[in-house]
Amino acid sequence: DGGITQSPKYLFRKEGQNVTLSCEQNLNHDAMYWYRQDPGQGLRLIYYSQIVNDFQKGDIAEGYSVSREKKESFPLTVTSAQKNPTAFYLCASSILADRPQHFGDGTRLSIL
Amino acid sequence: GESVGLHLPTLSVQEGDNSIINCAYSNSASDYFIWYKQESGKGPQFIIDIRSNMDKRQGQRVTVLLNKTVKHLSLQIAATQPGDSAVYFCAEMRTGTASKLTFGTGTRLQVTL
Repeated sequence: DGGITQSPKYLFRKEGQNVTLSCEQNLNHDAMYWYRQDPGQGLRLIYYSQIVNDFQKGDIAEGYSVSREKKESFPLTVTSAQKNPTAFYLCASSILADRPQHFGDGTRLSIL
Repeated sequence: GESVGLHLPTLSVQEGDNSIINCAYSNSASDYFIWYKQESGKGPQFIIDIRSNMDKRQGQRVTVLLNKTVKHLSLQIAATQPGDSAVYFCAEMRTGTASKLTFGTGTRLQVTL
């Protein structure tokens, strides 16, 4: 089935540690996105990429990094500089930037 | 980003009734709007979209209405079912300028039997 796969579903981070969240899509979409969702809140954009080897900061990029070396993959690294990383992280993709975004089922990151 | 409350507005509807979920959007230059449904522990699911050259768009059991004059969007769900219970988000975009979606804070729909 075509879709967006996020892994792992749950992730725990120790103090001072970087962790990487995986996002893979087989929809042949050009654009990919990372959002953060806190309890009872809407989604906030961390980073987005409209094409391979290019990405842009979203509204809350500090403490995060991304790469887009392949069309189907857009991993997100939560660095130790992100002081409040506990959240639900959602990856999305769209065929073009001005088309509907389709989401994976998220990764829940917690601090040990 | 701005701070928003932890408690979502909640709409309780009886099974079989129609539901109307409202959304006020912020940017008068937005020209593309999407409604998403999010169930607990899952990612948002696309429901329906509408562009600013339309006032109304219908899908299966859902209708989106757009009032650009007052920057208001609504989602109508006909014959609401228990499976419709979820959090519903509206999202807006100004296309052509980095085309980023901005999400509202969401409304929780509870369907009672």
